[in-house]
Order: sequence, then C-alpha cells, then structure tokens
Amino acid sequence: DTEVTQTPKHLVMGMTNKKSLKCEQHMGHRAMYWYKQKAKKPPELMFVYSYEKLSINESVPSRFSPECPNSSLLNLHLHALQPEDSALYLCASSPEETGTQYFGPGTRLTVL
Amino acid sequence: RKEVEQDPGPFNVPEGATVAFNCTYSNSASQSFFWYRQDCRKEPKLLMSVYSSGNEDGRFTAQLNRASQYISLLIRDSKLSDSATYLCVVLTGFQKLVFGTGTRLLVSP
Repeated sequence: DTEVTQTPKHLVMGMTNKKSLKCEQHMGHRAMYWYKQKAKKPPELMFVYSYEKLSINESVPSRFSPECPNSSLLNLHLHALQPEDSALYLCASSPEETGTQYFGPGTRLTVL
Repeated sequence: RKEVEQDPGPFNVPEGATVAFNCTYSNSASQSFFWYRQDCRKEPKLLMSVYSSGNEDGRFTAQLNRASQYISLLIRDSKLSDSATYLCVVLTGFQKLVFGTGTRLLVSP
C-alpha cells in the first residue's frame, strides 16, 4: 500500500485566517515532504522532514509553518497568506531520504 | 540553465503510435532518476525509476545515459489513457527531487 492521505481536499481562506493542512502515511516511511504546485508548473519543494526532524527549508516564508508530530503525520500551518499563495499543496513520503517519493492527492488552496 | 529540461510538447499522437520523450539534467552528482505521470488536477504518480542498464515495464521503456546526462522514456502502442503530463524527475545529492516542467502527451482515437 503506497497511500498518502491529505486533508482537506479543498480549502478557501481569507488573508487573516489561520488554517492547517494535514498529511498522513502508514507505510513506515521516515521522510516526508511538502511541495507547492502552481497551475501548469512542476511541483516545488518547500520542506523536508527526516526522522521527524526538519532537514530542508527551501527559504519558505514564515507564514508557512511545518510540523511533524510523529513519524506518520505532517502538518502545514498557514497564517496571513497572500492570494499568490493559492496553489495545490502536495505532501509526499519516502522510505528514506533518498528513496522513491509517493505523493498524496493534494490540498487545493485558494486565498481570497 | 534549468536543472532538468524537457520539451513541454504537446505531443499529439494517434492510438497505437510509439512516442519518445527526452530529458537532460545539469547536476552530474544526481543520484536517482524517475519518470512520474501527472493527470490534470491530480498528484504526480510514479511511472518508473530509471537505471543506466535501461528498464522496461510493459509498454514503457526508460533509459539513462549518465555520460550525456540524458534520460529517455519510450511509450509503445499508445493508449487513450496514456494522455497526461510526463515529468522527468532527478534526485540531487541534497535529498531534493527536482522536476522538469513536464511533457504533455495527447493520444487521439
């Protein structure tokens, strides 16, 4: 089973709201990732967690705050977003940092 | 120069045709190579890993040439369901997956 789940599927929020995206995998993978994908563009890496520790932050603005509560869960906390942050946010996991990555279905975020 | 370059297409082919996609990468320290498929408004899904010895999975054949820093994907006997965007993906030495811009394939009846 190579399933990564993400909730919610869709999210609409105002620029003053605080919301969270959730990602879960039960494959025992030790690395988890957040990506952002704009329309007609490839996914862009935001964060990498390895063994529940943040190992890569691709200079993402602080209005995006990742959290890894345990080895199966990954959250992305959102605060004071801008309309240009509207995108598909993808979570992925891999057995190790150098392994094949499996993607969740994504959360389609719209910031008004 | 982009780290991973692909022809964006679209490639319009009839059912049953053979189509080939190419990709080049710039980082010679890249470790692993993949082709992912992405349908409209869906997540990328792993199609296959790519090895120097070449590998085949049914109608799909992938090849890596490390000396030329070149990756290819061949699809034989195209099906309507093969219509999608094909992403060339490279794992760099820094745990990062770097995606090409994708090549769009449209298979018509």
